[in-house]
Amino acid sequence: DAGVTQSPTHLIKTRGQQVTLRCSPKSGHDTVSWYQQALGQGPQFIFQYYEEEERQRGNFPDRFSGHQFPNYSSELNVNALLLGDSALYLCASFLGGDKDEQYFGPGTRLTVT
Amino acid sequence: QKEVEQDPGPLSVPEGAIVSLNCTYSNSAFQYFMWYRQYSRKGPELLMYTYSSGNKEDGRFTAQVDKSSKYISLFIRDSQPSDSATYLCAWSGGATNKLIFGTGTLLAVQP
Repeated sequence: DAGVTQSPTHLIKTRGQQVTLRCSPKSGHDTVSWYQQALGQGPQFIFQYYEEEERQRGNFPDRFSGHQFPNYSSELNVNALLLGDSALYLCASFLGGDKDEQYFGPGTRLTVT
Repeated sequence: QKEVEQDPGPLSVPEGAIVSLNCTYSNSAFQYFMWYRQYSRKGPELLMYTYSSGNKEDGRFTAQVDKSSKYISLFIRDSQPSDSATYLCAWSGGATNKLIFGTGTLLAVQP
């Protein structure tokens, strides 16, 4: 049973560039949430996708956008990268009706120079 | 006031010790409570979850929830060097169940 997978593992970008991160949910899960984790901090909720729609959004600017595909996989896009966007980006998945268990992927470490 | 308060540590204990990790929260709407373990440069791993007050045990781990005091704890018995990691408490509630995390406590178990 494959868990949550994310790609790429690491990424280095320059300020002003755009980046796309990818997530495949755990088998059987239909809901994907994205989180940003700065060094030494807990993950912060970016947004959640369910049935290919953004269902809830955290306190992040419009430079952060996403998409969910019919196979439940998801992308996170960040435009006009800032140095402060450097972080570990985490994807979590769960079954929409199951409120208990949310599983995280290994994350994508983004460095903006 | 932060929604979730967690002592960042670091906490250093000898192998075999009992470890107590604690979090407090302010939002009464929180319904589900979780502990995640995160090794360095890895994604968080779900350790335990609960939605009611009281204790829940799983092997060497016990999660304790006190909703009246808005306080949760994780106890680790017979701690091992492999338990060295950051422990994150998290809450969820509402229709979408977004997770709200504490800052994490860094634990080091010395052999």
